[in-house]
Amino acid sequence: SQKIEQNSEALNIQEGKTATLTCNYTNYSPAYLQWYRQDPGRGPVFLLLIRENEKEKRKERLKVTFDTTLKQSLFHITASQPADSATYLCALETGGFKTIFGAGTRLFVKA
Amino acid sequence: EAGVTQFPSHSVIEKGQTVTLRCDPISGHDNLYWYRRVMGKEIKFLLHFVKESKQDESGMPNNRFLAERTGGTYSTLKVQPAELEDSGVYFCASSQAQVGEKLFFGSGTQLSVL
Repeated sequence: SQKIEQNSEALNIQEGKTATLTCNYTNYSPAYLQWYRQDPGRGPVFLLLIRENEKEKRKERLKVTFDTTLKQSLFHITASQPADSATYLCALETGGFKTIFGAGTRLFVKA
Repeated sequence: EAGVTQFPSHSVIEKGQTVTLRCDPISGHDNLYWYRRVMGKEIKFLLHFVKESKQDESGMPNNRFLAERTGGTYSTLKVQPAELEDSGVYFCASSQAQVGEKLFFGSGTQLSVL
């Protein structure tokens, strides 16, 4: 079955630096991959979607890459701010409408 | 536009009791999903409705869980009888009709079974 691996250790960075989070997956090659943000006590909030034929996608300070050969996606937040502190989830479609999630990586941005 | 709403936000019950969770999706969203997050683990897929039909219930843990979506609007998830391992946060999400559409999540129901 499909498995998603995200760094379970929290990522601590200084304000203004670039945060880079990794998502690796096994088996099934998804047609698209999504990134979500989750704050404590809230549901995940969609950030970006990247399709298998796209190498890179950008939205404001966010950038996602998708390497289907390595089965990996990288999620970058440039010029990070304390307000970016949250858990970031990688999600894959596994055929049709079913989406599965990684356990997420917690990001802490220090002022 | 109202988002996905879930009720209750918290529920504390004793083992063996019944609990019913409710989800109101965004109006016009045909797709409705239930997910669950057990402490320390990833958010796991439970099932998917298209309108009132169950499209995929491969993630439902066992027959103590029953999901319904009568009329294709709101959905309920009933756990009967609840067991200790059912504790966790239950999320509902909805999306528009096309494959690949982003999911809109509710804030979840924190279920504690004592």
